[in-house]
Amino acid sequence: NAGVTQTPKFRVLKTGQSMTLLCAQDMNHEYMYWYRQDPGMGLRLIHYSVGEGTTAKGEVPDGYNVSRLKKQNFLLGLESAAPSQTSVYFCASKGTGESGELFFGEGSRLTVL
Amino acid sequence: GQNIDQPTEMTATEGAIVQINCTYQTSGFNGLFWYQQHAGEAPTFLSYNVLDGLEEKGRFSSFLSRSKGYSYLLLKELQMKDSASYLCAAADSNYQLIWGAGTKLIIKP
Repeated sequence: NAGVTQTPKFRVLKTGQSMTLLCAQDMNHEYMYWYRQDPGMGLRLIHYSVGEGTTAKGEVPDGYNVSRLKKQNFLLGLESAAPSQTSVYFCASKGTGESGELFFGEGSRLTVL
Repeated sequence: GQNIDQPTEMTATEGAIVQINCTYQTSGFNGLFWYQQHAGEAPTFLSYNVLDGLEEKGRFSSFLSRSKGYSYLLLKELQMKDSASYLCAAADSNYQLIWGAGTKLIIKP
């Protein structure tokens, strides 16, 4: 049982390049989330999804897009990377219980030069 | 606005007890979570409180006072492996989590 898997784990981009982070979960969870974590700050929600085919904006959505074409996958795209997007990105999933715990992926460290 | 406050860093001795405090202000409230995050790793779930009182789970306990907007995580019989960051998060009226910046706990022998 892999849980939540993120790829890639590390990536270095130049300003203006694009990339996609993939999150896959094998727990049949409805809810999926993309967070970024920066030093001295709490986790900040970028986008989330409450089910296949749905997406919604979180606290810091600008510069990012997402898609949830399949229930098990949640993709995070950066169309034109900026140095301010240098961060560690975490994907998480949760079952249908509103108070359920989040299961996190191992994180993806992105550096934009 | 919505806000979570917790100390940036704490130091404790192996075998001792430490209490990590968290205060929150949210639009509505649907529970308080604690997560543990070792350096370079993902956060992992520790506890969830939605009613006032103390929840005990092994060496870890979590307390909630809704009227005071206050929670704490109590770690007993500290072990070196407890060195980690502890993240407090409150669920608002839409069940969205508002996260604190985390408390880095350093355990000394």
